[in-house]
Amino acid sequence: DTEVTQTPKHLVMGMTNKKSLKCEQHMGHRAMYWYKQKAKKPPELMFVYSYEKLSINESVPSRFSPECPNSSLLNLHLHALQPEDSALYLCASSQEGGGRDDYGYTFGSGTRLTVV
Amino acid sequence: GNSVTQMEGPVTLSEEAFLTINCTYTATGYPSLFWYVQYPGEGLQLLLKATKADDKGSNKGFEATYRKETTSFHLEKGSVQVSDSAVYFCALSPSIGNNRLAFGKGNQVVVIP
Repeated sequence: DTEVTQTPKHLVMGMTNKKSLKCEQHMGHRAMYWYKQKAKKPPELMFVYSYEKLSINESVPSRFSPECPNSSLLNLHLHALQPEDSALYLCASSQEGGGRDDYGYTFGSGTRLTVV
Repeated sequence: GNSVTQMEGPVTLSEEAFLTINCTYTATGYPSLFWYVQYPGEGLQLLLKATKADDKGSNKGFEATYRKETTSFHLEKGSVQVSDSAVYFCALSPSIGNNRLAFGKGNQVVVIP
């Protein structure tokens, strides 16, 4: 299995809703990432989990809450989002949890989130 | 800090034309360099990589050479197809500090039949 699987593919939520995005990989990768991508822009890093511990939080608002239940799973819990949070949310994984990466990241296909 | 610069603007070309997308980088130490491709409605896919100076990465007819003297990693393909239409991102993984991948702004490539 050489994939990162994200669910759901599309999500529409109201500003008072609570929802979760899920990400799964079975490649034995030790680092997992959440990115936010706006149209025609590069991905922006949100969170990094290294060996199941949160190692980087890029000053993301608390309405986004990450969780790493085990080495294969990564969740992003969403609450009280704003319309400007509408974007493509990408999950990625990499072999090592620190230092230079020589292998490249594996990205999922993303969740297209619309906040109404 | 670490940064990646890609040439501005979309690239439009005819099928079977030669493609070049420029990428230069700024980094301390010896980063690894990558090209990622994003097809419409999808996530990013690793296209090719190079981990040391003078390494050439290649895949699907695309090539890029790690040039330390010019801090560049330009992407080339000799004969593009309509199916190569996508957004291409150059990226680096730094050798110093934590594992943050630095992306360029990306280039939209449109291949016309």
